[in-house]
Amino acid sequence: SQTIHQWPATLVQPVGSPLSLECTVEGTSNPNLYWYRQAAGRGLQLLFYSVGIGQISSEVPQNLSASRPQDRQFILSSKKLLLSDSGFYLCAWSIVGDEQYFGPGTRLTVT
Amino acid sequence: GNSVTQMEGPVTLSEEAFLTINCTYTATGYPSLFWYVQYPGEGLQLLLKATKADDKGSNKGFEATYRKETTSFHLEKGSVQVSDSAVYFCALSEDRGYSTLTFGKGTMLLVSP
Repeated sequence: SQTIHQWPATLVQPVGSPLSLECTVEGTSNPNLYWYRQAAGRGLQLLFYSVGIGQISSEVPQNLSASRPQDRQFILSSKKLLLSDSGFYLCAWSIVGDEQYFGPGTRLTVT
Repeated sequence: GNSVTQMEGPVTLSEEAFLTINCTYTATGYPSLFWYVQYPGEGLQLLLKATKADDKGSNKGFEATYRKETTSFHLEKGSVQVSDSAVYFCALSEDRGYSTLTFGKGTMLLVSP
């Protein structure tokens, strides 16, 4: 069966520091991968999606970036965090035409 | 563009009460519709889905019917439990070769004993 992992589970970082969140999927090949952010009291905002290695599409302009160095690995990064980057970050995967499956999430607090 | 509108919460109910969470959508094509549930501190779990008009999705006592004429996908459960307390998200997807989900803002459900 397929599983999706995210780490770290929680993170507290100062403003201006770098960020790296990792997501890996097991049990499937060539999945579509997604990064979402969920701010407190708000819905989910799609940040990035990827349909293959090295193929990244950005939905919202911001100081975040994403990379997909391997088929089942998706990384969310920032060079300098802002207070507004605080939130709950969710990674998800899907097969073409199917629903999305979400990871457990990373709680990021920027101080 | 596509959009999903959910009733605002929180919805507060006593155990064994009947639940309805309203969801309406706007889409240009023929989307699939989903309900996801998020328990505190966790990611989202797919609760149920429907892929075409008049389909009924069901799981764990929850049901929702895809109503094209009213562009709605309301979530219902006949008797809620304390363990159903969570945030519920309605979403739609239009397959463009990759899955794109448009989410509503979520509705928090609080069930008291």
